Amino acid sequence: SAVISQKPSRDICQRGTSLTIQCQVDSQVTMMFWYRQQPGQSLTLIATANQGSEATYESGFVIDKFPISRPNLTFSTLTVSNMSPEDSSIYLCSGLRGGGYNEQFFGPGTRLTVL
Amino acid sequence: QKEVEQDPGPLSVPEGAIVSLNCTYSNSAFQYFMWYRQYSRKGPELLMYTYSSGNKEDGRFTAQVDKSSKYISLFIRDSQPSDSATYLCAMRETGRTGGGNKLTFGTGTQLKVEL
Repeated sequence: SAVISQKPSRDICQRGTSLTIQCQVDSQVTMMFWYRQQPGQSLTLIATANQGSEATYESGFVIDKFPISRPNLTFSTLTVSNMSPEDSSIYLCSGLRGGGYNEQFFGPGTRLTVL
Repeated sequence: QKEVEQDPGPLSVPEGAIVSLNCTYSNSAFQYFMWYRQYSRKGPELLMYTYSSGNKEDGRFTAQVDKSSKYISLFIRDSQPSDSATYLCAMRETGRTGGGNKLTFGTGTQLKVEL
């Protein structure tokens, strides 16, 4: 499977600020996703990052809060805007290649703490 | 009711034991079933994948799917301390990119294999 890297790996931020998380895949993928993982909860899909167009958001997530870019087939960013302590979580980037059974793989995650 | 139910554990077993991890689900449209392993402070990595019902074996790991009961299992034989991790089940409806491709995760079972 491909390798995904994320920056930053962790951050501590103040309430009301924004943080942009970068995701880089070492080879082209068909689809890229952003997930949130909170303690004791399952991975929750935030949105599907679409190359060159607006991301597709899941119920409960909106573009103003979580703007996403995907300028090419190997790179995407997720911004967590106007943060509150409830946004403290691990944010994971994921990639999926087409063909076969479509293995979906994940980056190491960005651990965000909002004070 | 959650779409995918998984006992969060923690599950503690002695080294060499056979471990059984399970998930139940409610969506009969799920056809692709995965098990991910997640070490502390790392992203999930794909461990096993199964399409539809049946068994699949890979070394010490066996994945079973019983679609009639909406029940999937992961067995680990001769468990090792290095198997200590959180195991997440995941499933989706189709293998195609696009609609129906969304992975739905269980909450994960924390496993500890003790010396």
